[in-house]
Amino acid sequence: AQSVTQLDSHVSVSEGTPVLLRCNYSSSYSPSLFWYVQHPNKGLQLLLKYTSAATLVKGINGFEAEFKKSETSFHLTKPSAHMSDAAEYFCVVSDAEGGADGLTFGKGTHLIIQP
Amino acid sequence: AAGVIQSPRHLIKEKRETATLKCYPIPRHDTVYWYQQGPGQDPQFLISFYEKMQSDKGSIPDRFSAQQFSDYHSELNMSSLELGDSALYFCASSRGTGEGYEQYFGPGTRLTVT
Repeated sequence: AQSVTQLDSHVSVSEGTPVLLRCNYSSSYSPSLFWYVQHPNKGLQLLLKYTSAATLVKGINGFEAEFKKSETSFHLTKPSAHMSDAAEYFCVVSDAEGGADGLTFGKGTHLIIQP
Repeated sequence: AAGVIQSPRHLIKEKRETATLKCYPIPRHDTVYWYQQGPGQDPQFLISFYEKMQSDKGSIPDRFSAQQFSDYHSELNMSSLELGDSALYFCASSRGTGEGYEQYFGPGTRLTVT
C-alpha cells in the first residue's frame, strides 16, 4: 500500500521569501511522485514529477523537489514566493508498475502568501 | 494544446436521482481515471480504464458505474444520489500506463445533491 503525508496543513510566507512544503511517502515499490497545485475553484495542474531518474526535479513556475530515498521525502521548494503561488498543493504517489493505477493524494498544504 | 474536457461543469440533482458525468480525454490518450474531491478534502481515486477495459478500482460506491467507449471518452453514472455525493468530480487522462505516464486533469464537474 502507498501513502503520502504532508506535514503541514497550512504554510504562510511573505512574498519574495523561500517556500518549503514538506512531504513524506510510503510505498511498497519504487514510487513515482508528483506535486500538483490547485487554485481556488480550479482543476489540478501538475507542477513536477519524479520517476526514478534525477533525484532533483525541476518543475514549472520555479518550483523544484528533491527525492530522498533515505528519508522517504519529496519536499517542494521555491526560492522566492509570488502572490500567484497562493493555492492548495498536493503531494501525490503512484505505484503504477504497468497498470492504470489511481494516484494517492496527500491531504494538501494550503500555501498563503503575505504581501 | 487540447485538454481534458468534462461535461457538464456544474450539476444539481436531488436525492435519489441519477446523474451522468462525461469525460473526453486528450486526443491519443487511451487511459481515463475518475476522482472524487469532497469539500475541503483531497481527491480520492474512484476507477480507471485502459483501452476501454476497467483497469483499477478505488473507493467507488456500488451505486456508481463507469465505462470507456470506443472513442475513448468515458462516462460516470451515479444512481440513488445521496447528499454525501456532493463533490467535485475530476477526470484525468494519460497516454499509456505505468511509471512516467503522467495524468492530466480536467476542470472537474461540481455535483450538488439537494
